[in-house]
Amino acid sequence: QITLKESGPTLVKPTQTLTLTCTFSGFSLSSSGVGVGWIRQPPGKALEWLALIYWDDDKRYSPSPKSRLTITKDTSKNQVVLTMTNVDPVDTATYYCAHRAEAGFDYWGQGTLVTVSS
Amino acid sequence: QTVVTQEPSLTVSPGGTVTLTCASSTGAVTSGYYPNWFQQKPGQAPRTLIYDTSDKHSWTPARFSGSLLGGKAALTLSGVQPEDEAEYYCLLYYDDAWVFGGGTKLTVL
Repeated sequence: QITLKESGPTLVKPTQTLTLTCTFSGFSLSSSGVGVGWIRQPPGKALEWLALIYWDDDKRYSPSPKSRLTITKDTSKNQVVLTMTNVDPVDTATYYCAHRAEAGFDYWGQGTLVTVSS
Repeated sequence: QTVVTQEPSLTVSPGGTVTLTCASSTGAVTSGYYPNWFQQKPGQAPRTLIYDTSDKHSWTPARFSGSLLGGKAALTLSGVQPEDEAEYYCLLYYDDAWVFGGGTKLTVL
């Protein structure tokens, strides 16, 4: 059974760095073809794809906040970390991580709400 | 910047059929965009319904189907149920990145 869970701060001040962790189980991020991605959703707005890391450490980023994003993995801990620098109130959103394999983004975490405010 | 466009809202009667579409600002959507469709109900995480244009997950109800239609990706619901009222998002693949559509609010009335 594949499960994912996001964790991190609920409140971050503008200009600070946001670090989110996705802890997963039921699969290995060292298996060929497997990836973990991050998606966010501002309150009342649409989903936005942010980043994806593959089993071979290949990384993909959305062009929009690309320069502020870094995605890494710790295979031994079954974790993927997303770092976003210089956050702004517009980065307030629910952040989701999701498992990606041959069947697309098939399993999602429950999401974690991050508020950027002074 | 690439924009993926969906109908903002649609209304369908119970038992009816409705088609949601997903268009790309770069031109016709093909299978190479690996269209995905997700359903999201209020307060819940998205649930994937369709991947790679028309492939279903084990949990995807049979009344949902994906296709390419007139240069767009399409999600058709046949025999709509009240519980299908939700927001639906498409997701397209562009070389190194993925882009979501703005979502379609489906009302069953």
